[in-house]
Amino acid sequence: DIVMTQSPATLSVSPGDRATLSCRASQSVINYLAWYQQKPGQAPRLLIYGASTRATGVPARFSGSGSGTDFTLTISSLQSEDFAVYYCQHYYYWPRTFGRGTKLEMK
Amino acid sequence: QVQLQESGPGLVKPSGTLSLTCVVSGGSISSSHWWSWVRQSPGKGLEWIAEISHTGSTYYNPSLENRATISIDKSTNQLSLRLTSVIDADTAVYYCVREQWLDIWGQGTMVTVSS
Repeated sequence: DIVMTQSPATLSVSPGDRATLSCRASQSVINYLAWYQQKPGQAPRLLIYGASTRATGVPARFSGSGSGTDFTLTISSLQSEDFAVYYCQHYYYWPRTFGRGTKLEMK
Repeated sequence: QVQLQESGPGLVKPSGTLSLTCVVSGGSISSSHWWSWVRQSPGKGLEWIAEISHTGSTYYNPSLENRATISIDKSTNQLSLRLTSVIDADTAVYYCVREQWLDIWGQGTMVTVSS
């Protein structure tokens, strides 16, 4: 299985600041990489697919980059509603696997 | 727009069989989409369970050791998951999701395995 490693586990950032979340795959997943946001008590929400394509309705402050094994989710100017847990997931092959998540908390 | 709604038994006894359904509304399950089940144990991360393609090909997480079966009923526009020989570790919120990049999620249904 492809292991997805996210870092850091927790990121403390102030509103208005930039947040950078990392995801590393144990082998290349080309660009078959998605990012999700999950708030307490809610289902995850797709933010980015194809490593860099924003899903419908996702604000432009969210951007994804990377290819191969190293990927980044950047939130350019944090809003209060952005504090949540973020997961990366590959869909290059089976089984699909998720990272353990990065909790973005308010500083 | 497409919406997904899961339903399930809520409580299943150990060694029993878990059966979940997901109603797809606002679109046809027969369209050129893939459909998946994903679960999340309390306080834990996400685990991909199974996937079915628009052509009917199925894929499973080997960690489930052949206990899972995913299927589609085109006549009722429903996705289903059957999980046999359930154990405590199968306690989770189960989500049905569209596409390989999981673009639309249901709200999830909580399943507890307990005697």
